[in-house]
Amino acid sequence: DTEVTQTPKHLVMGMTNKKSLKCEQHMGHRAMYWYKQKAKKPPELMFVYSYEKLSINESVPSRFSPECPNSSLLNLHLHALQPEDSALYLCASSQDRLLSGTGELFFGEGSRLTVL
Amino acid sequence: GESVGLHLPTLSVQEGDNSIINCAYSNSASDYFIWYKQESGKGPQFIIDIRSNMDKRQGQRVTVLLNKTVKHLSLQIAATQPGDSAVYFCAENIRWGYQKVTFGTGTKLQVIP
Repeated sequence: DTEVTQTPKHLVMGMTNKKSLKCEQHMGHRAMYWYKQKAKKPPELMFVYSYEKLSINESVPSRFSPECPNSSLLNLHLHALQPEDSALYLCASSQDRLLSGTGELFFGEGSRLTVL
Repeated sequence: GESVGLHLPTLSVQEGDNSIINCAYSNSASDYFIWYKQESGKGPQFIIDIRSNMDKRQGQRVTVLLNKTVKHLSLQIAATQPGDSAVYFCAENIRWGYQKVTFGTGTKLQVIP
């Protein structure tokens, strides 16, 4: 079983809705990530938080708004999305590689988003 | 069986045979490489990694080979089993406190019983 928990597993929303995806880990990891994955494509990096601070924003549209309330939680707030934003949204976490020497990302099962 | 990654996204192998999945990476600054396995409906799962100062690393039934000269990575799976059926992604990583991990295109491995 994955140690990264994502909710909800499935979400259907209209283009005018506001919703949030949630991610939680209790492995003591200090880096957390959002990836977007379209069908039959590799995961694409969206955001990286390191020690609760936004470290990377891969030119993601502002209709996606990340939030890291504490070291265990990561949210992705969604507003005014487009149908092409429908995808699997994956959350991941990792140890500080400079401390641990390992680069493994631990992924959740994902939240499958459908925008109507 | 052997794939060439971008040009052959699906690899079919007989159960018990060895599988070779290939990947080309692009960033010379990448110093760490990882193979992930993604089963249908699940998130990617770590298989094995290799640092750029190594040429080969072995795990349980898996071996990763790195050729920095031609920026090529391969994953060898020995005695392929039905449970190995999945999509395999290579990923390259630039060394920071966090990881900036960029995934390759992926290869679907189908194991024929």
